[in-house]
Amino acid sequence: GAVVSQHPSRVICKSGTSVKIECRSLDFQATTMFWYRQFPKQSLMLMATSNEGSKATYEQGVEKDKFLINHASLTLSTLTVTSAHPEDSSFYICSARDPASGGADTQYFGPGTRLTVL
Amino acid sequence: GNSVTQMEGPVTLSEEAFLTINCTYTATGYPSLFWYVQYPGEGLQLLLKATKADDKGSNKGFEATYRKETTSFHLEKGSVQVSDSAVYFCARGGTGNQFYFGTGTSLTVIP
Repeated sequence: GAVVSQHPSRVICKSGTSVKIECRSLDFQATTMFWYRQFPKQSLMLMATSNEGSKATYEQGVEKDKFLINHASLTLSTLTVTSAHPEDSSFYICSARDPASGGADTQYFGPGTRLTVL
Repeated sequence: GNSVTQMEGPVTLSEEAFLTINCTYTATGYPSLFWYVQYPGEGLQLLLKATKADDKGSNKGFEATYRKETTSFHLEKGSVQVSDSAVYFCARGGTGNQFYFGTGTSLTVIP
């Protein structure tokens, strides 16, 4: 149980275009999902918390107009990188909590999406 | 600041060697503690966890004990395999959205 998927796993786009990344909880409902960014050989940086049916909560320094988050259902959150630039190239990982299987504070992670902006 | 500090890598071991990756944390209470593993090109997988002092988390031969007195959660394995090569992250839970990660320790096991 507690499986989180992401799509796509890898995307290459041109500078100035927008890219949408999907995060799904496959076997549980997630009222809250999290989006992280990971630079090479570094730890994960929390970008924002995605709340089903309401606005996302962004961490300090993260541009909400650039990283649009939508959590339209209990199993899907999307992250859209708008007007992407090469500096947005990174590994984006989502996670969700499943209180039923791991306790209220255990996060389950998706496999990540490698974004490369040319 | 970062409230989880883990041993810097990279760590290279021979197969069947003993592994220790140190992790210490700072917290005002008693947060849950976790070890996650990230294989090349993949996301993070929960390896083990402990929710209170003196708890021992274990999985796949890995163990870590929640030590309140030393605020530590060191990861150990008695005999590593080549397939254990990955990056290991120590993490602690927090209130609300906060989930603090260490910087990760890269482990390479050579045959």
